[in-house]
Amino acid sequence: SQQGEEDPQALSIQEGENATMNCSYKTSINNLQWYRQNSGRGLVHLILIRSNEREKHSGRLRVTLDTSKKSSSLLITASRAADTASYFCATDPVYNQGGKLIFGQGTELSVKP
Amino acid sequence: DAGVTQSPTHLIKTRGQQVTLRCSPKSGHDTVSWYQQALGQGPQFIFQYYEEEERQRGNFPDRFSGHQFPNYSSELNVNALLLGDSALYLCASSFQRYGNTIYFGEGSWLTVV
Repeated sequence: SQQGEEDPQALSIQEGENATMNCSYKTSINNLQWYRQNSGRGLVHLILIRSNEREKHSGRLRVTLDTSKKSSSLLITASRAADTASYFCATDPVYNQGGKLIFGQGTELSVKP
Repeated sequence: DAGVTQSPTHLIKTRGQQVTLRCSPKSGHDTVSWYQQALGQGPQFIFQYYEEEERQRGNFPDRFSGHQFPNYSSELNVNALLLGDSALYLCASSFQRYGNTIYFGEGSWLTVV
């Protein structure tokens, strides 16, 4: 079953704008990881945020985690055409033995030059 | 430092045939997992290997089997292929099973005709 759900399913913005993607999940987690996937390619790891962390940054990326609301958000600032891709959140639920990621359907981001 | 490598990149098989996909984990990683990603969907966990044993399994039939070798590389075998097995198969690796960043390879595209 799907643990995570991304919102929106699709997002189209202009270069230079910020993009925000949200992820909701259902059960307690050990950590949450965000990935990017260019069409037909593998997953590129972006950020891991642990359940005891609230915010993490990496370059133009900012991830927040609210365990009370069971939600996370990924913010990409000053977006570029090269950011066009699908973005997935993946949770590592506590009820699993570890390392079994549960993915949502993803957000398809289109950045227009 | 090589990341997760998979082979072959693409392959076409006929219904009823068998297929073997191969994966070499990122250097220093000892845990390998396999995921299936259908077109337009998020990846689905198939199983995880650690210390040459299957540690966790997702909701996939016994036609899906695997192996991990002493050098931590892994194989995914699918028997009696069905049209519905057509998908991108992703290998992922991590150091230890719990709580660490999970890296993915570029995947193997399997088409069953």
